[in-house]
Amino acid sequence: GESVGLHLPTLSVQEGDNSIINCAYSNSASDYFIWYKQESGKGPQFIIDIRSNMDKRQGQRVTVLLNKTVKHLSLQIAATQPGDSAVYFCAENIGTESGGGADGLTFGKGTHLIIQP
Amino acid sequence: EADIYQTPRYLVIGTGKKITLECSQTMGHDKMYWYQQDPGMELHLIHYSYGVNSTEKGDLSSESTVSRIRTEHFPLTLESARPSHTSQYLCASSEYTGINSPLHFGNGTRLTVT
Repeated sequence: GESVGLHLPTLSVQEGDNSIINCAYSNSASDYFIWYKQESGKGPQFIIDIRSNMDKRQGQRVTVLLNKTVKHLSLQIAATQPGDSAVYFCAENIGTESGGGADGLTFGKGTHLIIQP
Repeated sequence: EADIYQTPRYLVIGTGKKITLECSQTMGHDKMYWYQQDPGMELHLIHYSYGVNSTEKGDLSSESTVSRIRTEHFPLTLESARPSHTSQYLCASSEYTGINSPLHFGNGTRLTVT
């Protein structure tokens, strides 16, 4: 079936630099996308989400970009800190919640962000 | 920080045993989910629920079963554990608002079947 994937299993960046984590999705019907951060021994933690009627959304130190033309999603982290070290997952959902609508999120494989001092 | 709790955090059990993984949330969310995750890998949906007395199977076939008798509680049961069930099990919940909303996850139960 169709699924969400990430380009790199591991990304290493210098502390203080900006990080860009990429994700390609294949289902053109997806209209909701979300980024999660998962630290070792913990469950995924919500970072930011975006709906398909938007191209960009900003949070605190994070920006999500959505390019529907090429079905590409990215997460930008500004001024990366040691606490940003984690595995980052993108996920998608299809359609709105209404009775028999799509349920649960489809996750990509994750990118392990490593921060070098 | 989401108020969703999973117990136990770690469980080592022998083959053939029956186990129940507990999940509770205090946010009043109607929708709840169980995901299975192998170390470092993506999450796979195994069960979900729209609300009380609602249970559905997810994308990944699983020998586990779930129940939803109360809004806040969504336990997962394995009648006869096998080594192939060794994995991390993550519970999540979300609001049922008519549009997509984020899932809030617990910290998981890491199950090892010997």
